[in-house]
Amino acid sequence: QKEVEQNSGPLSVPEGAIASLNCTYSDRGSQSFFWYRQYSGKSPELIMSIYSNGDKEDGRFTAQLNKASQYVSLLIRDSQPSDSATYLCAVSPSGTYKYIFGTGTRLKVLA
Amino acid sequence: DGGITQSPKYLFRKEGQNVTLSCEQNLNHDAMYWYRQDPGQGLRLIYYSQIVNDFQKGDIAEGYSVSREKKESFPLTVTSAQKNPTAFYLCASWGLAGDEQFFGPGTRLTVL
Repeated sequence: QKEVEQNSGPLSVPEGAIASLNCTYSDRGSQSFFWYRQYSGKSPELIMSIYSNGDKEDGRFTAQLNKASQYVSLLIRDSQPSDSATYLCAVSPSGTYKYIFGTGTRLKVLA
Repeated sequence: DGGITQSPKYLFRKEGQNVTLSCEQNLNHDAMYWYRQDPGQGLRLIYYSQIVNDFQKGDIAEGYSVSREKKESFPLTVTSAQKNPTAFYLCASWGLAGDEQFFGPGTRLTVL
């Protein structure tokens, strides 16, 4: 069983729609959760971090965390073609200074 | 400007050669990391270091070596023992007072 799982996609959404990206993790003791965006050929850039159950909003992005169900999601409202990228979920298990990355979900926003 | 730099951006290596990838940060971060990314894959941890003069193997350390003589620098050597080194190599750093990793721009290594 992979430690952090994401659907590889591609996930295609029309411009202006809500894109929903999901991630599940296996280590129940994980405390910190992150979403990175990676454009083709570029390095990942951090877009959201979340540590507590519930929702965290930042502009068009909302991260949702449910520790009981061991999943974290990212919603992108009013999706734009410039949001087309691969989104990586990362989880930091408690007591470590390491991240475990999922393989990423490729998002395509269609103009 | 604070940030992480990696050089070179592109690197070509002949089989049997060792090559060293540079990673420098001026963020005053304590921890530094090296990852490898293959096409369509996630990031796999090669080595990491939490303090100067100390480092730990990650999940795929075989064929790689690192040093951490200065807080700002964490070079990665890809040795001839690494059988399939063609990949995108990413360096990251993490300030232990915070909880977020930031990445350098990456080095794309190709074995000819």
